[in-house]
Amino acid sequence: DQQVKQNSPSLSVQEGRISILNCDYTNSMFDYFLWYKKYPAEGPTFLISISSIKDKNEDGRFTVFLNKSAKHLSLHIVPSQPGDSAVYFCAASLMNRDDKIIFGKGTRLHILP
Amino acid sequence: DAGVIQSPRHEVTEMGQEVTLRCKPISGHDYLFWYRQTMMRGLELLIYFNNNVPIDDSGMPEDRFSAKMPNASFSTLKIQPSEPRDSAVYFCASKVAITSETQYFGPGTRLLVL
Repeated sequence: DQQVKQNSPSLSVQEGRISILNCDYTNSMFDYFLWYKKYPAEGPTFLISISSIKDKNEDGRFTVFLNKSAKHLSLHIVPSQPGDSAVYFCAASLMNRDDKIIFGKGTRLHILP
Repeated sequence: DAGVIQSPRHEVTEMGQEVTLRCKPISGHDYLFWYRQTMMRGLELLIYFNNNVPIDDSGMPEDRFSAKMPNASFSTLKIQPSEPRDSAVYFCASKVAITSETQYFGPGTRLLVL
């Protein structure tokens, strides 16, 4: 029973277009959400996060949207670039109450030339 | 800073053998996490330490797995005896003692048990 679900194992997007990666969670107590990016043969690296008191957080080409009522968050990448091809992990935690981060299974993003 | 260091990067062993994975966290980080990545289960937390003390080992799959952190700069994850289903990439991560701060991952150890 996965608490953080990424239902799309892979996604292909044309270079220059918008990439949208989706994530659902089941635990309504989660109050902090993160996205990590992973290249082959490397460890995951932190990309962007959002607290549950917000519904949007933007950092350059990356924007994370949070819909608490739907227990859903998404990562938007605009415009998509070849270097964005990687596996993206959605993660959730109980900020200030628990140091664990619960990760989804990941979505492999392919940016097509 | 060198980042989180893991060794070996690759390990191939035969079923029944003991496997020891090593991790050196970033200096000054109070937390250390061990994860396992598989296609089926994604990235799952096995155990984590705070100030060298194990806090939560509920993710350790079974008694064949054990982890230690004898000091602030070193941790091991041991599998004895190893089985083919243990084949995965094992990551170590560390972070400072502020909950909102991000975890920094090592490059991982790719384990193949034949």
